[in-house]
Amino acid sequence: DGGITQSPKYLFRKEGQNVTLSCEQNLNHDAMYWYRQDPGQGLRLIYYSQIVNDFQKGDIAEGYSVSREKKESFPLTVTSAQKNPTAFYLCASRDSTNEKLFFGSGTQLSVL
Amino acid sequence: QKEVEQNSGPLSVPEGAIASLNCTYSDRGSQSFFWYRQYSGKSPELIMFIYSNGDKEDGRFTAQLNKASQYVSLLIRDSQPSDSATYLCAVSQNSGYSTLTFGKGTMLLVSP
Repeated sequence: DGGITQSPKYLFRKEGQNVTLSCEQNLNHDAMYWYRQDPGQGLRLIYYSQIVNDFQKGDIAEGYSVSREKKESFPLTVTSAQKNPTAFYLCASRDSTNEKLFFGSGTQLSVL
Repeated sequence: QKEVEQNSGPLSVPEGAIASLNCTYSDRGSQSFFWYRQYSGKSPELIMFIYSNGDKEDGRFTAQLNKASQYVSLLIRDSQPSDSATYLCAVSQNSGYSTLTFGKGTMLLVSP
């Protein structure tokens, strides 16, 4: 059953804490993306990766970090430098044959 | 700065009517255009894509593209209450793994 798996579904962060959101795909897609969505807002690009061991900053990368050690995995760390982390985080992937973007089910991050 | 503009709505239509959702974009180099449907608390789902000027039909959905006017629209015929969702327009330059730029979405409400 191919798809994109994000975990956890809900995550709570304490002040000063770093948290990591998991994203795994078994679609054999080269490119992976992280978006942030705030209520009533569109999707804003945080980071993206076109190939293993390479990634680029998106429009709102400050306070976030990523790694791409495996093709299947693209974890996002929300660091303590991100002062307003409460949002719905979406991971997505895309293959090399078309521009279509497919999303995981998302992680809702809240601050305690 | 690439921008994608959508009316936030809500757009209210009665069941069985045609819903018309509109989107404009600023980057004339854009080549690929997508419509995503997002239910509250869920991740976006790709419902239509269009690359060439004109109309593209898929079931009750029709996407319309006019590159000269930098305008893309989505028509939903025979609207159903289950179509009530936020519809996101997304645009990309279609160069390699170019990123998608999303609008903020239009909320559609279909009343029985």
